[in-house]
Amino acid sequence: DGGITQSPKYLFRKEGQNVTLSCEQNLNHDAMYWYRQDPGQGLRLIYYSQIVNDFQKGDIAEGYSVSREKKESFPLTVTSAQKNPTAFYLCASSIGTGFPYEQYFGPGTRLTVT
Amino acid sequence: QKEVEQNSGPLSVPEGAIASLNCTYSDRGSQSFFWYRQYSGKSPELIMFIYSNGDKEDGRFTAQLNKASQYVSLLIRDSQPSDSATYLCAVNNQAGTALIFGKGTTLSVSS
Repeated sequence: DGGITQSPKYLFRKEGQNVTLSCEQNLNHDAMYWYRQDPGQGLRLIYYSQIVNDFQKGDIAEGYSVSREKKESFPLTVTSAQKNPTAFYLCASSIGTGFPYEQYFGPGTRLTVT
Repeated sequence: QKEVEQNSGPLSVPEGAIASLNCTYSDRGSQSFFWYRQYSGKSPELIMFIYSNGDKEDGRFTAQLNKASQYVSLLIRDSQPSDSATYLCAVNNQAGTALIFGKGTTLSVSS
């Protein structure tokens, strides 16, 4: 059963704490992505990775960090430096980067920081 | 900043009607265009992609692309209440490394 898994589905943290969101795929995709979605807003790119041990900042990388040690895994850490961390976080993957590769999404993690 | 624009809606159509969703983009270099459906509280689901001018049909869905006008649309024929969702338009960035998303159009199909 191929797909993208994200865990946990809901996450609650206190302000000032770092938190790591998990993303795993068994689609054998090279590229993986992290997006953030706020209510009534489109998706905004946080980080992406085209290949193992390589990743690039997206439009809103400040306050976030990632790693890509395995092809299947692309965890996202939301650090205490992120000013407004409460959001819906979506992980996606694609066969590669560039035209015309479509992206497929995991179920998402809803993070609430109080 | 490259942009993708969509009318936020809501777009309301009766069951059985054709729903027409529109999207414009600012980067003339964009080559691939995607439509995602997102139900409330869920993640986006890919429903169509298109990269050549003209129409592409898949079941009740038709994507239309006009690169000269920088316009892409999605038609949903015989709309069903289960089509009620937010539809996100996405366009590849110039480097082809990521997608730029619009804010989405909310569609409501009444029975």
